[in-house]
Amino acid sequence: GAGVSQSPSNKVTEKGKDVELRCDPISGHTALYWYRQRLGQGLEFLIYFQGNSAPDKSGLPSDRFSAERTGESVSTLTIQRTQQEDSAVYLCASSLGLAGVSSYNEQFFGPGTRLTVL
Amino acid sequence: AQTVTQSQPEMSVQEAETVTLSCTYDTSESNYYLFWYKQPPSRQMILVIRQEAYKQQNATENRFSVNFQKAAKSFSLKISDSQLGDTAMYFCAFENTGNQFYFGTGTSLTVIP
Repeated sequence: GAGVSQSPSNKVTEKGKDVELRCDPISGHTALYWYRQRLGQGLEFLIYFQGNSAPDKSGLPSDRFSAERTGESVSTLTIQRTQQEDSAVYLCASSLGLAGVSSYNEQFFGPGTRLTVL
Repeated sequence: AQTVTQSQPEMSVQEAETVTLSCTYDTSESNYYLFWYKQPPSRQMILVIRQEAYKQQNATENRFSVNFQKAAKSFSLKISDSQLGDTAMYFCAFENTGNQFYFGTGTSLTVIP
């Protein structure tokens, strides 16, 4: 596709259930990021994948959160035993992942998944 | 660690006027990149403008320009001739050479007709 896609666009779940959010990055983008955005707040970094390197998981808020990425394609963010404080929009972004002094990397964002935990 | 600070949670501007959004950051790195992203009510994040830290010239994109002060670690966004469609959240972002991004908490801009 032409841009980053995320599914579902909205997800309502009951407290304690597991949810899985999907992100399809732009083809050829080696870098993929997950962010959480609570209502009226900024972007909170969750996890970053770069090619075949070990992901940077430093932003994951608890062990209930995990993410996987298959090669340089689809990524899934899984939240186990959801809590009400997990309610937020989850944004995915991808970039070319170029390294070096003269290589900036514009992030292209998906439309997000709005998660509501009842 | 890098931090990005946007000290103006909300701002408003009259249509056709000029407004400046502030952003400061903290880093020990000498090479990095700075961005301003716009998030309208539709929720879709859109890149507004970018600046490479090794370039002294301020970036300009049509009505949008930046004032990059590297020594002061300041990166403000100026919007000229504000339009109703400029109403959105604006996020300042920092990227290091390791491709890690840091975002500010955002400024909510309202353009008043």
